[in-house]
Amino acid sequence: AQSVTQPDIHITVSEGASLELRCNYSYGATPYLFWYVQSPGQGLQLLLKYFSGDTLVQGIKGFEAEFKRSQSSFNLRKPSVHWSDAAEYFCAVGARSGAGSYQLTFGKGTKLSVIP
Amino acid sequence: DVKVTQSSRYLVKRTGEKVFLECVQDMDHENMFWYRQDPGLGLRLIYFSYDVKMKEKGDIPEGYSVSREKKERFSLILESASTNQTSMYLCASKREEESKNIQYFGAGTRLSVL
Repeated sequence: AQSVTQPDIHITVSEGASLELRCNYSYGATPYLFWYVQSPGQGLQLLLKYFSGDTLVQGIKGFEAEFKRSQSSFNLRKPSVHWSDAAEYFCAVGARSGAGSYQLTFGKGTKLSVIP
Repeated sequence: DVKVTQSSRYLVKRTGEKVFLECVQDMDHENMFWYRQDPGLGLRLIYFSYDVKMKEKGDIPEGYSVSREKKERFSLILESASTNQTSMYLCASKREEESKNIQYFGAGTRLSVL
C-alpha cells in the first residue's frame, strides 16, 4: 500500500525567506504526486502535480516541486515566502483502488507560519 | 471552474442523533469522496463513490454510511453520532477518466458532536 510522510509538522519562516517542505512517498509503481494547500477554514486547493516528464514542476503562487525517484521525494519549494502563504500544506500520492478508481493518500500535513 | 459545495460550514449535533452531510458538485464528475480531517492525522478517506449508487469503503468507514442517488450529490450519514466523530469533513470530486486524479475539494463542514 502507498504511504506519504511529511516529516515536519510545523515550520516557521520569516517573510522573504526561502521555503522547502519535505515529502517522502512509498509506492510500488510510478507515482502521481500532488501538493495541496489549505488556508484556515478552507478546503484544499491544488498547488501543483507531477505525472511524468520533467521532474521539476511549477505550480501556482510561485511554488515549485522536484520529483527525485532515487530519494522517493517530492519536496515543495518557494524562493521567497509571503505572509499570505501561511497555511497547511499536504503532499499526496495517487494510486488505483481495488475497484479500479484512483484514490489519493495524503500525508499528515505541514503547518507553515510566516513571521512578518 | 469546478464547484464542490458542502451544504453546511458548521454543524452542532447531539450524541445519538442521525446526521446528514451533503455535498454537491456541478461538473458531472463520476467520482466523489468523503474525507475526515483531524489535527496531526491529515486527511483520511471514509468512503468514495465511483458512480451513481456505487460506493467503496475507504480507510475509516466504521460509524458512517453514504448515499449517491444522483450523480451530482454525495451524502455522508452518521447513523448515531458520537463525540469521537467531532471533526472537519471534506468532500471532493473528480472525473473517472481523469486517471491522473485531480480531486477538487469543497470548503469543508466542521461537525461538533456534544
